[in-house]
Amino acid sequence: QAGLTQPPSVSKGLRQTATLTCTGNSNIVGNQGAAWLQQHQGHPPKLLSYRNNNRPSGISERFSASRSGNTASLTITGLQPDDEADYYCSAWDSSLSAWVFGGGTKLTVL
Amino acid sequence: EVQLVESGGGLVQPGGSLRLSCAASGFTFSSYWMHWVRQAPGKGLVWVSRINSDGSSTNYADSVKGRFTISRDNAKNTLYLQMNSLRAEDTAVYYCAAAFDIWGQGTMVTVSS
Repeated sequence: QAGLTQPPSVSKGLRQTATLTCTGNSNIVGNQGAAWLQQHQGHPPKLLSYRNNNRPSGISERFSASRSGNTASLTITGLQPDDEADYYCSAWDSSLSAWVFGGGTKLTVL
Repeated sequence: EVQLVESGGGLVQPGGSLRLSCAASGFTFSSYWMHWVRQAPGKGLVWVSRINSDGSSTNYADSVKGRFTISRDNAKNTLYLQMNSLRAEDTAVYYCAAAFDIWGQGTMVTVSS
């Protein structure tokens, strides 16, 4: 099944900015963009952004999403210790009629 | 309180069946497209299936097509996942999600002899 590619890990310092990427093909990211989810160890995922940069109620403006061609990005500014988590992108694959998830990026805040 | 509560997980032998349930409360369940997403121990999220708001349209991951069936009862605010012909690789925490915006805590399914 076709998927989305995310770097396995990213490390940044406290109060720095992290940009996480998610690359797919035109059937996926290039269509309606991606959703981004955060998952802390032992907890269910939490939606951060959908259809590129729509944030659900209660999600900090420090989280912003964008898309360029077939690559979606999540930028997190002013990194905090609680931002240390796994981050997943997800998008609808129109060729498969299925949602796909990226493999996830583990963000470490140093 | 907005809530999704999964149940029905457990230990089952290969080839066996389980039915998961997901009870919704605190929001208009019948307005949401619903998903099942699973996560094997120590692994990433994997989408399993989705159903539209009135239950008339469903989609499945290739890995479960023909074995799993998603359904819903809007009168009971409940989502279901019937899982047949279970395999060891189906072992995971199964989450239900409302449009990826509302998530349950998950229920563990272990397929082992």
